[in-house]
Amino acid sequence: AQSVTQLGSHVSVSEGALVLLRCNYSSSVPPYLFWYVQYPNQGLQLLLKYTTGATLVKGINGFEAEFKKSETSFHLTKPSAHMSDAAEYFCAVSVGSGNTGKLIFGQGTTLQVKP
Amino acid sequence: DSGVTQTPKHLITATGQRVTLRCSPRSGDLSVYWYQQSLDQGLQFLIQYYNGEERAKGNILERFSAQQFPDLHSELNLSSLELGDSALYFCASSKTASQETQYFGPGTRLLVL
Repeated sequence: AQSVTQLGSHVSVSEGALVLLRCNYSSSVPPYLFWYVQYPNQGLQLLLKYTTGATLVKGINGFEAEFKKSETSFHLTKPSAHMSDAAEYFCAVSVGSGNTGKLIFGQGTTLQVKP
Repeated sequence: DSGVTQTPKHLITATGQRVTLRCSPRSGDLSVYWYQQSLDQGLQFLIQYYNGEERAKGNILERFSAQQFPDLHSELNLSSLELGDSALYFCASSKTASQETQYFGPGTRLLVL
């Protein structure tokens, strides 16, 4: 069965510092992987996704993630944090097959950005 | 704005009651997903409909049911409500039934007292 583990429920960085949010997945089939962001009192917004092909995926707002099959990881990075990046971030895996695209989410990581 | 609309935004009700949450997908999307977000369980998939038919089921309680209508909007019915049903309920939509980007609505926050 597919699963997602996000390491660290809270991450705190200074403005301008590197952001690294960790995600490991478990999947018996080639996964489709997603990062979503949730701002307070809002729905989830897609940051980026990996399906097939290039393992380094660029998303919105300067975020990117690298799919590493050998490490079963899909960590999210951003070179320089902005105050506006403070939010909750969710990694998700799509549960294979052509019949459904239901998402299995990690527990989420709250990113705090200090001035 | 994702293009997915959900009503109502907030709902306060009592234990034992029944409520209906409504979702309108993005224009052109045939698939609707329902998710529940709670502090203890996180974000969990409940159920998916595609073009009016149930496509996949997750950890959805028997007290909960859903349907997708011919105009593609969907409703999630929650009955015999318990305190533990208090959560944020999200609807998401995508063009097809499979592994595509899902666009999420703003959610309905349910509080059961």
